[in-house]
Amino acid sequence: DTAVSQTPKYLVTQMGNDKSIKCEQNLGHDTMYWYKQDSKKFLKIMFSYNNKELIINETVPNRFSPKSPDKAHLNLHINSLELGDSAVYFCASSQGDSHNAEAFFGQGTRLTVV
Amino acid sequence: KQEVTQIPAALSVPEGENLVLNCSFTDSAIYNLQWFRQDPGKGLTSLLLIQSSQREQTSGRLNASLDKSSGRSTLYIAASQPGDSATYLCAVKAGGSYIPTFGRGTSLIVHP
Repeated sequence: DTAVSQTPKYLVTQMGNDKSIKCEQNLGHDTMYWYKQDSKKFLKIMFSYNNKELIINETVPNRFSPKSPDKAHLNLHINSLELGDSAVYFCASSQGDSHNAEAFFGQGTRLTVV
Repeated sequence: KQEVTQIPAALSVPEGENLVLNCSFTDSAIYNLQWFRQDPGKGLTSLLLIQSSQREQTSGRLNASLDKSSGRSTLYIAASQPGDSATYLCAVKAGGSYIPTFGRGTSLIVHP
């Protein structure tokens, strides 16, 4: 059973479109994250969310928004896609109330904006 | 703000060599440090997790050490193999945050 799963794995779309990437974890964790990996492979936190708070990286454009229907899901919505949004997006989860908790990552979604 | 640096950025070695990858961090009040492996076009695979109370962790040919006072961790790979070729990333939780902060990785190529 996959611990953290993302769909789709690949997404090609045109500029200006709105798209969503889904993430689900079956680990019973209460904290989920979204990271963006740029072309130089650097992983940068976008959002962290648990049932208590949403932490947003201030550099993330407000075209990006996380939506959590329940503790096991954190979906990423992107409005008005731009060429610079092309990257690999990773979802992760951990037990947020424990600072010692291990983080588990999904396999990534490669987004290409054309 | 936590800064995580990995040295070297890239490494190319012949098969059989013992390797040391370095990770340094600026905020020594860490909770844990995690080493990941990423194959080209793939996701992140967790290799080792070291808690702040631990000095090292071992898994097979991999050994990771942690020195909080100097703000450093090393990943030691014994008897490297071509299958070890990948990018190795370290991630640190520290400073009151439960959000892992990543270094930029070390890209490793092991030649047959």
